[in-house]
Amino acid sequence: QKEVEQNSGPLSVPEGAIASLNCTYSDRGSQSFFWYRQYSGKSPELIMFIYSNGDKEDGRFTAQLNKASQYVSLLIRDSQPSDSATYLCAVTSSASKIIFGSGTRLSIRP
Amino acid sequence: EAGVVQSPRYKIIEKKQPVAFWCNPISGHNTLYWYRQNLGQGPELLIRYENEEAVDDSQLPKDRFSAERLKGVDSTLKIQPAELGDSAVYLCASSSSDLQETQYFGPGTRLLVL
Repeated sequence: QKEVEQNSGPLSVPEGAIASLNCTYSDRGSQSFFWYRQYSGKSPELIMFIYSNGDKEDGRFTAQLNKASQYVSLLIRDSQPSDSATYLCAVTSSASKIIFGSGTRLSIRP
Repeated sequence: EAGVVQSPRYKIIEKKQPVAFWCNPISGHNTLYWYRQNLGQGPELLIRYENEEAVDDSQLPKDRFSAERLKGVDSTLKIQPAELGDSAVYLCASSSSDLQETQYFGPGTRLLVL
């Protein structure tokens, strides 16, 4: 079992709709959870981080964390073509190691 | 404020040759990370520095990889000798001590080993 798992996609969503990206992790002691966006040929950039159970909203982005289910998600409202990218989930494990998932490719179709 | 600087941006070498990558973190960031990213995968941590001390190098293949951050500012990652499987993007990132988990990535060095 991978430590951080994501569906590789591609996930295709119509423009204006909600994109839902999911991530599961294996270390129950994980403390911090991050979502990065990576455009093709570019380096990752941090979108959001979340530490506590529940929802955290920032503009069109909402991160959701459920530690009991070891599940973290990212919702993108009013999806735009510029949101087309690979989204990487990252988790800081109980050993303070930062572990990235393989990413989900998101495609927003006009 | 300047971001994380990396050089070179691209490197093509033949197998068994040595190669070195350089990184200059954001000014004032005392934590520096080197990652390797293979195509279609997420970044994999190679080494993390707190100032000049390597605090996590458990994923660094020490038979051929080495890294240094002598003055706690810029850093060099070296591979000697390079193998075909080392072809990847090598990313450097930095973070500050008061917001350590917010990492800022450099543009990366794309390495191709022939």
